[in-house]
Amino acid sequence: IAGITQAPTSQILAAGRRMTLRCTQDMRHNAMYWYRQDLGLGLRLIHYSNTAGTTGKGEVPDGYSVSRANTDDFPLTLASAVPSQTSVYFCASSDWGRGESGANVLTFGAGSRLTVL
Amino acid sequence: SQQGEEDPQALSIQEGENATMNCSYKTSINNLQWYRQNSGRGLVHLILIRSNEREKHSGRLRVTLDTSKKSSSLLITASRAADTASYFCATDFYGQNFVFGPGTRLSVLP
Repeated sequence: IAGITQAPTSQILAAGRRMTLRCTQDMRHNAMYWYRQDLGLGLRLIHYSNTAGTTGKGEVPDGYSVSRANTDDFPLTLASAVPSQTSVYFCASSDWGRGESGANVLTFGAGSRLTVL
Repeated sequence: SQQGEEDPQALSIQEGENATMNCSYKTSINNLQWYRQNSGRGLVHLILIRSNEREKHSGRLRVTLDTSKKSSSLLITASRAADTASYFCATDFYGQNFVFGPGTRLSVLP
């Protein structure tokens, strides 16, 4: 089934540890995104990549890094986790600029629930 | 800061009734989209309306857009228990990334 695969589904992590959330898509979308979802705040963009080899900062990038070595993979790394990074993380992708008359429609993964103690 | 703000935050209705959710935004937009999120799942795209459109239909969904008031509404007609979910509006402007609102939690009671 075409879509986005995120791993792990859920993780409990000690503060100060390094963690990488994995995201893989098989739709050959050019753009990929990482959002975090916190109660009452909706989804906030962490980092994005409009095409392989490029990345950009979103609304809340501090404490996170990403890479986009190829079209399909877009891992999110927390170098030294802190409790405020406890959240549900969603990876998304889109055919940026190539959708319905250039419209940008997002396809989401199922999410990774991260708890930092 | 949030671009989109949904209203109400939570809505509870009986099966068969219509559900209306509203979204307000602050700046110019190119498109406005609505997404649904079932509990514990990712968001799913429902419908897109462009800034030059006023109304759009898709099955039991009707979306309106009033750019003069910077607002949109999502109407779900003849609601079903399966419509129970959170609904989010998202706006984008040329070359800029989406901004999502905090969502409306819809409960459809059997």
